[in-house]
Amino acid sequence: EAGVTQFPSHSVIEKGQTVTLRCDPISGHDNLYWYRRVMGKEIKFLLHFVKESKQDESGMPNNRFLAERTGGTYSTLKVQPAELEDSGVYFCASSQVGISTIYFGEGSWLTVV
Amino acid sequence: AQSVTQLDSHVSVSEGTPVLLRCNYSSSYSPSLFWYVQHPNKGLQLLLKYTSAATLVKGINGFEAEFKKSETSFHLTKPSAHMSDAAEYFCVVSKAGGFKTIFGAGTRLFVKA
Repeated sequence: EAGVTQFPSHSVIEKGQTVTLRCDPISGHDNLYWYRRVMGKEIKFLLHFVKESKQDESGMPNNRFLAERTGGTYSTLKVQPAELEDSGVYFCASSQVGISTIYFGEGSWLTVV
Repeated sequence: AQSVTQLDSHVSVSEGTPVLLRCNYSSSYSPSLFWYVQHPNKGLQLLLKYTSAATLVKGINGFEAEFKKSETSFHLTKPSAHMSDAAEYFCVVSKAGGFKTIFGAGTRLFVKA
């Protein structure tokens, strides 16, 4: 069974550009989460989808970040325009509804220069 | 409200000696507790989880953790460290169903030959 997959694994973009990160959850997992870890800081929750609905987006830092999960399958996280402080690792995770165990992807390493 | 505190930012042990990574939590409801490990440039791998069954939880690679409600602790142990254990370890608390998942700051484990 495939795990959580994320794309791209690494990206380097210039300040002001746009980047879109994609996450494919484990098949059958209706819960999908985004987290990020900026350099030297803790892993922080960004948002939580249940199917295509945003259950909790309290961790989204500002309106430059837009997450979507059309059709309740894969999700995208767009950063537009990117700022230097957005550099870090963006983790996607998924779980089954009612189950606490969350499975993480390998992360998308974003560097804004 | 929930919180999790990892008491050591760095732990250094010699190969073959025991490992102890400490974690205290705070939760207003019965929590689910997890330990994840991140090797350099890799994703987050689930080591073990506590979800209100047995208080002593065994995980992968010889790790185990004991849930102590009276001490609000969930320390991670391993009898004998291996070089391959060198990584960063995260204690995680969540509400049932994967909601409100909070990460500790992480403990970086160094293993000396």
